[in-house]
Amino acid sequence: QSALTQPASVSGSPGQSITISCTGTSSDVGTYDTVSWYQQHPGKAPKLIIYEVTRRPSGVSSRFSGSKSGNTASLTISGLRPEDEADYYCCSFTQSYTYIFGSGSTVTVL
Amino acid sequence: QVQLVQSGAEVKKPGASVKVSCKTSGDTVTGYWMHWVRQAPGQGLEWMGCINLDSGVTQTAQKFQGRVTMARDTSINTAHMELSGLRYDDTALYYCAPEPVEAYFFDSWGQGTLVSVSS
Repeated sequence: QSALTQPASVSGSPGQSITISCTGTSSDVGTYDTVSWYQQHPGKAPKLIIYEVTRRPSGVSSRFSGSKSGNTASLTISGLRPEDEADYYCCSFTQSYTYIFGSGSTVTVL
Repeated sequence: QVQLVQSGAEVKKPGASVKVSCKTSGDTVTGYWMHWVRQAPGQGLEWMGCINLDSGVTQTAQKFQGRVTMARDTSINTAHMELSGLRYDDTALYYCAPEPVEAYFFDSWGQGTLVSVSS
């Protein structure tokens, strides 16, 4: 397994809600509540927006929320805004004491 | 939060080695793990490995075992990542990202170091 599975692209209109899935296995996402999500704008370093599946760092909009069911974690962006247009990556700790990122999803605001 | 400053861009020939540095300042990084993540042009994030800044213990992604060496110099608050046997597909932006104690996430990132492999 080289990367957690994410949809390549997700789009929505301003004000709508979108959800990005992140599918792993019982060796990573399914076992550990350590899924984090990162937002990356072009030419910028990634920014942490969700950690421990559901928790938001200070300063991150409450429009971002996370959840998990079985081997799949999800990031939901509600009230979509133009500035949410970016790449999004999930990440999980694994039973091998390593980390694995998702394949990445590009969010487009229509 | 921890501030991070990485070393400058590098151009290397295939087969050579490259060493990327990451200097920390600000909050103490006692007990932290320093992670290395790379991103090839137009591609996603790829976790390479990490080093405990106290003990020096390392963990390396299977893909990079035998090619990656990580070290730290606590006297100058700097972590290093050396990648050997460079190939064209090692051309990427290399980031350092510290993990707070038992945090399992990365809330700070270096600015990235571009490593280009070209003959």
